[in-house]
Amino acid sequence: KNQVEQSPQSLIILEGKNCTLQCNYTVSPFSNLRWYKQDTGRGPVSLTIMTFSENTKSNGRYTATLDADTKQSSLHITASQLSDSASYICVVLTGGGNKLTFGTGTQLKVEL
Amino acid sequence: GAGVSQSPSNKVTEKGKDVELRCDPISGHTALYWYRQRLGQGLEFLIYFQGNSAPDKSGLPSDRFSAERTGESVSTLTIQRTQQEDSAVYLCASSLDSTANYGYTFGSGTRLTVV
Repeated sequence: KNQVEQSPQSLIILEGKNCTLQCNYTVSPFSNLRWYKQDTGRGPVSLTIMTFSENTKSNGRYTATLDADTKQSSLHITASQLSDSASYICVVLTGGGNKLTFGTGTQLKVEL
Repeated sequence: GAGVSQSPSNKVTEKGKDVELRCDPISGHTALYWYRQRLGQGLEFLIYFQGNSAPDKSGLPSDRFSAERTGESVSTLTIQRTQQEDSAVYLCASSLDSTANYGYTFGSGTRLTVV
């Protein structure tokens, strides 16, 4: 069964600190992986998209990494801000298909 | 429009009633998806439309769920004889096409509460 597992399930950090969220997947064949940010009461918004050949990609304070051999991805948030408080969801697209497999997300809370 | 629009944003309905949820995708987006997100759980695929092809209905949880889309425009998700376990946020997403090269834009969802 194709699965996407994320850790930690929840995380609380102080404003200004860095954090790293993890995503492990068993989806096959792999096409691409996206990290989404979902604010409470809103739909998910794409942060980064990575294909098989990409190892790292940055979007402002967000940096995603991908190791296609170990089927692991991480999302690193630098100098966190209160507005970073949200759910971060790892999503994998199966190659040749059209289904997205979603992780259950990491709930991040940034506090003063 | 500029984004994916869903309506209503909130819906409270009595158990056993039928509900209809609407999704207006981004103009020109041929692919449209419906997902369900129960409290504390991940996004669950329901149904996928791609242009005029037959929809992928493999994620619909029961025959009480159905969805329609006319061409590449508005889609409606209908839940008949609602049950309390249908309470969830129903999210719609659209994409330029079904390839891996384009991102998916999500609407803000419809929060359905069955009482």
